[in-house]
Amino acid sequence: SQQGEEDPQALSIQEGENATMNCSYKTSINNLQWYRQNSGRGLVHLILIRSNEREKHSGRLRVTLDTSKKSSSLLITASRAADTASYFCATLIIFGKGTRLHILP
Amino acid sequence: DAGVIQSPRHEVTEMGQEVTLRCKPISGHNSLFWYRQTMMRGLELLIYFNNNVPIDDSGMPEDRFSAKMPNASFSTLKIQPSEPRDSAVYFCASSPSHGTHYEQYFGPGTRLTVT
Repeated sequence: SQQGEEDPQALSIQEGENATMNCSYKTSINNLQWYRQNSGRGLVHLILIRSNEREKHSGRLRVTLDTSKKSSSLLITASRAADTASYFCATLIIFGKGTRLHILP
Repeated sequence: DAGVIQSPRHEVTEMGQEVTLRCKPISGHNSLFWYRQTMMRGLELLIYFNNNVPIDDSGMPEDRFSAKMPNASFSTLKIQPSEPRDSAVYFCASSPSHGTHYEQYFGPGTRLTVT
């Protein structure tokens, strides 16, 4: 069964804008992870947030976690063309179907 | 570090043939995972090993699929006999410790086409 589920399925924004992706999950977790996948490549780990954390930053990435709502969000600020990729959340090593992000020049 | 190594990168085979996918995890990593990715079903966990022992194989679709990890540096995923619906990209990933607590490092994947 699918644990994480991302929303929206696809997102197109202008370069320089912020991109927000959401993830909902079903069961209790120790941590939640976000990954990026460029077309035709393997997934790359972006950030891990533990269940006792509410927010975490890494460069232009900001992740929030609300365990009461079983949801997380990934914010990419000042988007760049190179951010075009699919983004996945993962809990208990189960991945959602991802959000396809397209940055328009 | 070379990262997770998978071979072959591409495999085209006919229905009914045996297919063997190979994975070399990152040295020192204790957990290894096999995933299958398709447009329809997304990224599905097939099986994962911890310290060479299969921990959860509930994602293995059916008896045609089998996975082994004879030592800490090598794993195989075998499909026998293969069917067209097995066409997908198969990823191997490894993790420094028990997989549910640490990030995973993915290989480049094997694109399998069964005709």
